[in-house]
Amino acid sequence: ETGVTQTPRHLVMGMTNKKSLKCEQHLGHNAMYWYKQSAKKPLELMFVYNFKEQTENNSVPSRFSPECPNSSHLFLHLHTLQPEDSALYLCASSHGSGSDTQYFGPGTRLTVL
Amino acid sequence: AQSVTQPDIHITVSEGASLELRCNYSYGATPYLFWYVQSPGQGLQLLLKYFSGDTLVQGIKGFEAEFKRSQSSFNLRKPSVHWSDAAEYFCAVGAQSGGGADGLTFGKGTHLIIQP
Repeated sequence: ETGVTQTPRHLVMGMTNKKSLKCEQHLGHNAMYWYKQSAKKPLELMFVYNFKEQTENNSVPSRFSPECPNSSHLFLHLHTLQPEDSALYLCASSHGSGSDTQYFGPGTRLTVL
Repeated sequence: AQSVTQPDIHITVSEGASLELRCNYSYGATPYLFWYVQSPGQGLQLLLKYFSGDTLVQGIKGFEAEFKRSQSSFNLRKPSVHWSDAAEYFCAVGAQSGGGADGLTFGKGTHLIIQP
């Protein structure tokens, strides 16, 4: 596999479920990101990890819990979500400076019932 | 805090015609600027970026963009569009924090429709 992969591609969950989104990058990058893409709204940055350390949490509710065990893997743990959390969740990676290109995965389409 | 405005939600262009997508940004210093394209069901693909030097940047698929500091703009252009260019286009700005990885701030996107 090359680039940035995300699994699953589609997820339907109830408000009481716990699920996890997975992102893996095969580009040798040091930084990884979670973005949320909702209809009619700009992409919103959620979390930034650089060398496995969280460097930014963009006021994200605690029902979203990120985990970065190493520079190649990023998870987003979900619990007690709300219907308004339904969105496309995109993962990205980069070498780790501001001018670097961020490479995006295909996203996970999440529907919360 | 930085922000990005893409004033056109939808643009319809005939195949073979020229294209210009507008992007205005707000940022206190010289920003890093990006244009990404998203096809249905796909992630974002970088078309081009500006971070210093020549203000006219060339990208993939025949796209170019010009950074105009006086107008706080970074408009995307293509001289002749193809049906395969139909997609969602996003302008984004990155901060020059100097400290490492920073998330991007995106505009709401412009949906490009190509008429045959």
